[in-house]
Amino acid sequence: GAGVSQSPSNKVTEKGKDVELRCDPISGHTALYWYRQSLGQGLEFLIYFQGNSAPDKSGLPSDRFSAERTGGSVSTLTIQRTQQEDSAVYLCASSSDRDRNQPQHFGDGTRLSIL
Amino acid sequence: GDSVTQMEGPVTLSEEAFLTINCTYTATGYPSLFWYVQYPGEGLQLLLKATKADDKGSNKGFEATYRKETTSFHLEKGSVQVSDSAVYFCALKADKLIFGTGTRLQVFP
Repeated sequence: GAGVSQSPSNKVTEKGKDVELRCDPISGHTALYWYRQSLGQGLEFLIYFQGNSAPDKSGLPSDRFSAERTGGSVSTLTIQRTQQEDSAVYLCASSSDRDRNQPQHFGDGTRLSIL
Repeated sequence: GDSVTQMEGPVTLSEEAFLTINCTYTATGYPSLFWYVQYPGEGLQLLLKATKADDKGSNKGFEATYRKETTSFHLEKGSVQVSDSAVYFCALKADKLIFGTGTRLQVFP
């Protein structure tokens, strides 16, 4: 498909386990973003990749969270030693470049549930 | 830092009523402004955008005008439908996209 693809769509895991969430951006999009949407909350910015520049990690809530983007395309968000408060929908978005006028295209998200 | 404030919901309206969802922002520089919509069970979709002062974004009968003097980007629709029931997010983008907390709209027949 032509949109942003995220996997898995749902993930249930036990507290303390590590999880990896995957995002395939739209082909050719140089900017990639991760957001978190908790129940009843807005969207919380986590991390932003732009081309080969150092990522903006200012939104990561703790050092248990990390993300990488290999080859300027696919990105993986890793949460180590998961806690119940990590339960949320994790959204990935991509856009064509850094231009502030370009909207972001969102994936359907990964719903993460920590038991 | 940059931020977006939008009215809390839920907003409950009857079909064909007039809709306003308020959004104000704080930003250094000149951000672009967006409204995104999330229908039940679906992902976020761009609804409309405006990239400079006095621009009006419009789509599907919704409109919003970029007001620099009041730092606002209120969403309006003259006659809502049941199918407009969704969560609406105001957002600004300078470097990265920053969202408001979302406003749930419920439209009843």
